[in-house]
Amino acid sequence: AQRVTQPEKLLSVFKGAPVELKCNYSYSGSPELFWYVQYSRQRLQLLLRHISRESIKGFTADLNKGETSFHLKKPFAQEEDSAMYYCALRHGGGFKTIFGAGTRLFVKA
Amino acid sequence: SAVISQKPSRDICQRGTSLTIQCQVDSQVTMMFWYRQQPGQSLTLIATANQGSEATYESGFVIDKFPISRPNLTFSTLTVSNMSPEDSSIYLCSARGVDNSYEQYFGPGTRLTVT
Repeated sequence: AQRVTQPEKLLSVFKGAPVELKCNYSYSGSPELFWYVQYSRQRLQLLLRHISRESIKGFTADLNKGETSFHLKKPFAQEEDSAMYYCALRHGGGFKTIFGAGTRLFVKA
Repeated sequence: SAVISQKPSRDICQRGTSLTIQCQVDSQVTMMFWYRQQPGQSLTLIATANQGSEATYESGFVIDKFPISRPNLTFSTLTVSNMSPEDSSIYLCSARGVDNSYEQYFGPGTRLTVT
């Protein structure tokens, strides 16, 4: 069965520190992986997807098929990064997206 | 991109009653979805709203409890029927656009409290 696991409910780091939000998935085929973010009082929005291999707001995520992981990283956290982050999976060619439980990132000044 | 609006934004309802949530997208989209986000939990897909035909429900969700309509490409409704306190949740409408099919857009959500 498809599953997305985010082991940390809350991650607290100091401003300027590196941050890594973990995501592991379970899927037998070729998934599409995404990170969505929800800032306070805003709606859920796409942050990045693995296919594009881009850096958005300083965040990157690499798909590791061997470890079935798609961790989100940023070398220097900023206070404005504080938000709820969801890892999501859509199986290749499919239309349903499933979400992990989410990790709340809190960046302290 | 697509901008999604939902009505109502929040409501407090008595058990046993029903509430219909409306979702409007400002552009034509290919697929529309309804999610539930219970307090402190992740998003759970309720169903895919299909235009002109019955919605496709996920395991654990049934049409009698969550009837869904999608009369055209930009509008959908979700009804939460015979509500109980366990239905208290945020209900999110989501859609995939025809331009960037990989991205899903989300509405602001409807916060439902059942007393």
